[in-house]
Formats: sequence, structure tokens, C-alpha cells
Amino acid sequence: DQQVKQNSPSLSVQEGRISILNCDYTNSMFDYFLWYKKYPAEGPTFLISISSIKDKNEDGRFTVFLNKSAKHLSLHIVPSQPGDSAVYFCAAAFTGNQFYFGTGTSLTVIP
Amino acid sequence: DGGITQSPKYLFRKEGQNVTLSCEQNLNHDAMYWYRQDPGQGLRLIYYSQIVNDFQKGDIAEGYSVSREKKESFPLTVTSAQKNPTAFYLCASSFSTSTDTQYFGPGTRLTVL
Repeated sequence: DQQVKQNSPSLSVQEGRISILNCDYTNSMFDYFLWYKKYPAEGPTFLISISSIKDKNEDGRFTVFLNKSAKHLSLHIVPSQPGDSAVYFCAAAFTGNQFYFGTGTSLTVIP
Repeated sequence: DGGITQSPKYLFRKEGQNVTLSCEQNLNHDAMYWYRQDPGQGLRLIYYSQIVNDFQKGDIAEGYSVSREKKESFPLTVTSAQKNPTAFYLCASSFSTSTDTQYFGPGTRLTVL
């Protein structure tokens, strides 16, 4: 049973535009969420996180939004750059427990 | 410099052989994890360890074994009992198993022939 879902396997965006990656979860006890970026044949690298006490966290071009009532989070990348092309995973956990990862969304930023 | 290392990057084994994947970290993290990635699937947790000499099964532990004799090291053995061992294996670590960010190694691609 997939507790964290990324329903869009791929996304293409023009350079300079906004990329929006979505993630849905089913367990209302999740209270900490992360986004990872992954290049082929490499380990994921941490991008940005948000705890359930906040609804937005921003770091440079990356912003994560959390909608607890909808059990939905999203990652916004503005402006998108070709180097952002990668697979993005969202992950969720509740305190003291393991992280659950989504299946990933492959982002392609077109120059 | 600090980080997590996994070796080798690519590994080939014959069916029926056990194989051990290495994971070392010098980040002074207490917790370490092993994940498996398959095409079209998210990262799935195999085993994790919160502290030396202690580890717990994750969602897909069958056919795998681990040890945690040192804080820095968390080797994973893929046994012949694992039915579909060909995959990309990722090791991660964090300060604790509470909601701490996990940092990943570069991964090992295991191919069983």
C-alpha cells in the first residue's frame, strides 16, 4: 500500500518557467516531509523539508507547500533551469518512524 | 571530507551467490538505512539501524541480512534467498531515526546473471 504517491511520472517545463511537482499522502500522522533530487545512477540529494507546523518553506528557487487538510504537498521551482532536470522524490514520516518515499517524478527542463 | 561511500558502484554476481554491499559514513550519524530502488517504484526500505549492534527490518527485508558492528559501517548482504536481487541499492544515514534528514550514498547497481 503506497502511503506516499507522486501521480505524475514525468513533467516537461520550459527554461525560466515554473515547475510544480506534486505529492499526495494517505497517513494523517505524517508530520515531516522532504524532497530529494536524484540524477541517474546516483544517490538522492536532499533538497528541502517542511514540518507539519508550517505550510510553506522556501529556499532560494525552491518552495515547498503543505496542505494538511488535503494531505498534499508540492514543490515549486522558479525559475526552472536545465540543471534541474532530474527525478524528484517526496518522502514523509511521523516522528520516530521510517520515511516513506513516493515513486518519483522525472522533470525535464527544456532550454 | 565527510560523506557516505558505497562500493563498488557496479557489481555482478552469478545467481545463487551471496553478495555483500559496503556502506561507510564519517558523518558521526547514529542511524543508517538500506533502500532498494526499482524502475517505476519509490525507494523501499530494506533494513535500518538506530545504533550499533541493533537493527530492524524494513518493508522488504526478506532475502537480505545486515550487521552494525561499528557506527561507521552498515554492510548489506544479498542472499541467494532474495528472488529478484537485481536492483539499485542505496545506503543512507541520519543523526537519528526521528525526523532527521537522511543523506544518501552514491548507490550500488547489483546485477545478478
